[in-house]
Amino acid sequence: QLQLQESGSGLVKPSQTLSLTCAVSGGSISNGGYSWSWIRQPPGKGLEWIGYIYHGESTYFNPSLKSRVSLSVDRSKNHFSLRLNSVTAADTAVYYCAVVVAGSEHFQEWGQGTLVTVSS
Amino acid sequence: SYELTQPPSVSVSPGQTASITCSGHKLGDKFAHWYQQKPGQSPVLVISQDTKRPSGIPERFSGSNSGNTASLTISGTQAMDEADYFCQTWDSGTVIFGGGTKLTVL
Repeated sequence: QLQLQESGSGLVKPSQTLSLTCAVSGGSISNGGYSWSWIRQPPGKGLEWIGYIYHGESTYFNPSLKSRVSLSVDRSKNHFSLRLNSVTAADTAVYYCAVVVAGSEHFQEWGQGTLVTVSS
Repeated sequence: SYELTQPPSVSVSPGQTASITCSGHKLGDKFAHWYQQKPGQSPVLVISQDTKRPSGIPERFSGSNSGNTASLTISGTQAMDEADYFCQTWDSGTVIFGGGTKLTVL
């Protein structure tokens, strides 16, 4: 069973870049049968999908975030990463990584989430 | 852009049936998935592909999807079912979440 674990800076200054990594265990990130996603949840609010990466390089993004987001995969470390630039207080949220099994269209496994606060 | 609409809150008495709806244009032509989220925890999949219950999810959870509305039904609701519930679908390669429904078991 796949397990996911987020890590990264919990505090980012406005206008800077948020960087998070999701470590994958119990399976290979090179497995073409998975799409690797990021989802966030502002405090007290709902879930917002950020984007996903599959086949190591193909990506889809939430149109509202597309201009500021990049995703990447590191096969040697079996992890994938999120970068969100030009952050503001509105980007303060719990960030989750999650995995979709190809063809299933739902998030099978989630990480525990990590809180990122944007503040000077 | 595609949107999913859920009621902000639903209340139910213990032992009764709770129904949470999720509305979207021709949602019945897509798959709807449901997640349960308790405070401080990650979401957990409770219904996939409209009606499928993942391993470990109690039989009291069921789902349906037709027309413009998908529904999550909890029969014999228990206090432990009190949580936020989110629906989710897929549209043109992008993921859409509903705004979430807080289920209160009174």
